[in-house]
Amino acid sequence: QVQLQESGPGLVKPSQTLSLTCTVSDGSITSGDYFWTWIRQHPGKGLEWIGYIYHSGTTYYNPSLKSQVSISVDTSKNQFSLSLSSVTAADTAVYFCARATPGPSFDLWGQGTLVTVSS
Amino acid sequence: SYELTQPPSVSVSPGQTARITCSGDALPKQYAYWYQQKPGLAPVLIIYKDSERPSGIPERFSGSSSGTIVTLTISGVQAEDEADYYCQSADSSGTYVVFGGGTKLTVL
Repeated sequence: QVQLQESGPGLVKPSQTLSLTCTVSDGSITSGDYFWTWIRQHPGKGLEWIGYIYHSGTTYYNPSLKSQVSISVDTSKNQFSLSLSSVTAADTAVYFCARATPGPSFDLWGQGTLVTVSS
Repeated sequence: SYELTQPPSVSVSPGQTARITCSGDALPKQYAYWYQQKPGLAPVLIIYKDSERPSGIPERFSGSSSGTIVTLTISGVQAEDEADYYCQSADSSGTYVVFGGGTKLTVL
């Protein structure tokens, strides 16, 4: 059973870059027709799609975040990563990685990781 | 930007039927998906392609579509169904993902 696990700092200073990695285990990131996704959830709020990447490197980003976001993939490590630049307190959220099947829909999720932006 | 609109909350007594709607202009062209999220946990896909149910999801969960509105129906609601429910779809191009604002289901 494929599993996803987020990792990265839980605290980031304002104006710095938030960096998270999602490790895909018990399955290959290059197998199947999947897009590898980042989604966030502000405290007590709804879900916000950040963007996704295909194993070839093709990316799609939420237009509202496009200027801040970069998603990359490392097939040798079976990982994909999120970079969010120039963060503010408004970027404090639980960040989920997920697998998108054609649709798209999200059939597999990591447990989520809380990132707090604070000095 | 494209939006999906859900009611913030729905309340129902155990054993009754709960209906949660989601409206969006592109829904006639794009499938809708539904997720259940309980506190502190990741969302779980409970309906895909408007009305299909993944394996392991109880039959009391069903989905339907009519024009610009999709509906999640939970028949014979149980206490364990108390959760937040999110609809999700894509814009008319099928590229960009959008989530509804979420509906908190309270089982009285």
